[in-house]
Amino acid sequence: DTGVSQDPRHKITKRGQNVTFRCDPISEHNRLYWYRQTLGQGPEFLTYFQNEAQLEKSRLLSDRFSAERPKGSFSTLEIQRTEQGDSAMYLCASTRTGDYEQYFGPGTRLTVT
Amino acid sequence: GENVGLHLPTLSVQEGDNSIINCAYSNSASDYFIWYKQESGKGPQFIIDIRSNMDKRQGQRVTVLLNKTVKHLSLQIAATQPGDSAVYFCAVAGNMLTFGGGTRLMVKP
Repeated sequence: DTGVSQDPRHKITKRGQNVTFRCDPISEHNRLYWYRQTLGQGPEFLTYFQNEAQLEKSRLLSDRFSAERPKGSFSTLEIQRTEQGDSAMYLCASTRTGDYEQYFGPGTRLTVT
Repeated sequence: GENVGLHLPTLSVQEGDNSIINCAYSNSASDYFIWYKQESGKGPQFIIDIRSNMDKRQGQRVTVLLNKTVKHLSLQIAATQPGDSAVYFCAVAGNMLTFGGGTRLMVKP
């Protein structure tokens, strides 16, 4: 395992469609994070999991967004009824409880047309 | 909550010169800070970190300085190289990372 992986790397979708992204963290990491990054800005926290439990969600995470980590390994982030404002880079990161450094994946770039 | 900001969105330096990138934070209780480097099309990559009980930490060609009195930290890159060209973010670490807006470092050959 060489790092955090995300799939797909790029997604183009039409407004109103649903999309789902996947993140595979570093195998021994029990914490998994989702961030959103728009052009020219730093990443913004969306939500995080410790094992399979979702411990915190940002106000940015509207009810159209849902994240899961059913077995405490990979995670999915689903956006329903996408809007043009959802266009962004979605980053996943992982770490161990007690560590502050987070390791980021390459991101999924979403474009909503 | 925490607000994190950077002083300059873009910094252009000559190859071989030293670079200094600045960052300010708002919460005096913040305990742990990280600098990340992000190249085009990639996720942020860890550079160096510092705890609030330190005021300086050195790595390979990089130094982070922390001034808790004015809630300011800086990243110094010695002998800047073309491969250092990227966007640099400071982040305050807690349960999640709170990032500043980023400084784009451009290295002129």
